[in-house]
Amino acid sequence: DGGITQSPKYLFRKEGQNVTLSCEQNLNHDAMYWYRQDPGQGLRLIYYSQIVNDFQKGDIAEGYSVSREKKESFPLTVTSAQKNPTAFYLCATTGQAYTEAFFGQGTRLTVV
Amino acid sequence: AQSVTQPDIHITVSEGASLELRCNYSYGATPYLFWYVQSPGQGLQLLLKYFSGDTLVQGIKGFEAEFKRSQSSFNLRKPSVHWSDAAEYFCAVGAFSGGYNKLIFGAGTRLAVHP
Repeated sequence: DGGITQSPKYLFRKEGQNVTLSCEQNLNHDAMYWYRQDPGQGLRLIYYSQIVNDFQKGDIAEGYSVSREKKESFPLTVTSAQKNPTAFYLCATTGQAYTEAFFGQGTRLTVV
Repeated sequence: AQSVTQPDIHITVSEGASLELRCNYSYGATPYLFWYVQSPGQGLQLLLKYFSGDTLVQGIKGFEAEFKRSQSSFNLRKPSVHWSDAAEYFCAVGAFSGGYNKLIFGAGTRLAVHP
């Protein structure tokens, strides 16, 4: 099936740990995005990437890092510098400019 | 700066009643506009989109939206709401900035449907 796969669906992190969220797509889309969703705040853009080996900070990049070594993959690392990482994280892709975004099913990260 | 405002955080309607969810945007050029729906714990599903042409666009699940440039609005409507429409709805604008394209989302409107 064509689509976007995010894993894991649920993730628990201890204080001071780095964790990596996976996002894989087989839609052959160029652009990939990471959003953070908190209740009442909608979706806020963390990082985005238009091509392999290039990415840009979004509105709330502090405490996060990404890589784009392959077109299909755009992993997000939540570092210990992110002080409030508990949230729902969504990965998305777009094909050509301004076409619709396709979303994964999300990863819920909880700090324990 | 580009932005999207959804003035209503929560809306409750009775099943069978009509629905209008408001969306206002701020964008310097011709906007590309979207409405998405999200069920709890799930990703977002596209309801409809506007790129150009007819300002009234039809989407899935019986939804439609009207682009009004003079009001910078892109309101979502449905003539008769079903209980299964209870979800969160997001309006978004496609923005081009610094050589990159990105989607900017509103804060969302949570819809509750009473039987």
